[in-house]
Amino acid sequence: GQQLNQSPQSMFIQEGEDVSMNCTSSSIFNTWLWYKQDPGEGPVLLIALYKAGELTSNGRLTAQFGITRKDSFLNISASIPSDVGIYFCAGRSGSARQLTFGSGTQLTVLP
Amino acid sequence: GAGVSQSPSNKVTEKGKDVELRCDPISGHTALYWYRQSLGQGLEFLIYFQGNSAPDKSGLPSDRFSAERTGGSVSTLTIQRTQQEDSAVYLCASSLDRFRLQETQYFGPGTRLLVL
Repeated sequence: GQQLNQSPQSMFIQEGEDVSMNCTSSSIFNTWLWYKQDPGEGPVLLIALYKAGELTSNGRLTAQFGITRKDSFLNISASIPSDVGIYFCAGRSGSARQLTFGSGTQLTVLP
Repeated sequence: GAGVSQSPSNKVTEKGKDVELRCDPISGHTALYWYRQSLGQGLEFLIYFQGNSAPDKSGLPSDRFSAERTGGSVSTLTIQRTQQEDSAVYLCASSLDRFRLQETQYFGPGTRLLVL
């Protein structure tokens, strides 16, 4: 089956620093999504990407849909304490409606 | 408006017992998805429903798992003869329209299941 490799597994950064995480796929995806999950909550969509090469920003967040359609990255600039949480990449391929998720990146922001 | 709601929020059961998990999707959303999230892992697709079409059950891990969606709204995920490896967070999501490539899935808070 499809697999998404997400890295890093965890990150500890100082408040104000930038952070980058990425996902790679064993197959081509036609949609890449980035979610954030806070403790005890369901994932919340941050950014959605629908075209190869697409670069999209949402405030301090920027994500790109890789040109090969097999990878994506998420950057967070000037991190703040509320950025703490687990970030998941997710993708959709072909005509599939369900999402395939990466294993998540646990982000900790130190004051 | 109200988001996706799930109940119970937590469930502790004994091995071998059956459990039912409930999902109330966002009103008007025709597509409903169930995912499972094991500790420290990403979400694993289980099943989805779209309107009156036959559900896609391709993600169900065994025949102990089943789900229904009555009246195109509320869904119930049933796990029979629970095993310890069934312990996980079960997440439900709904979306507005299956056939729109840019549909967004909105997730509920999940049900945390612990099988002793």
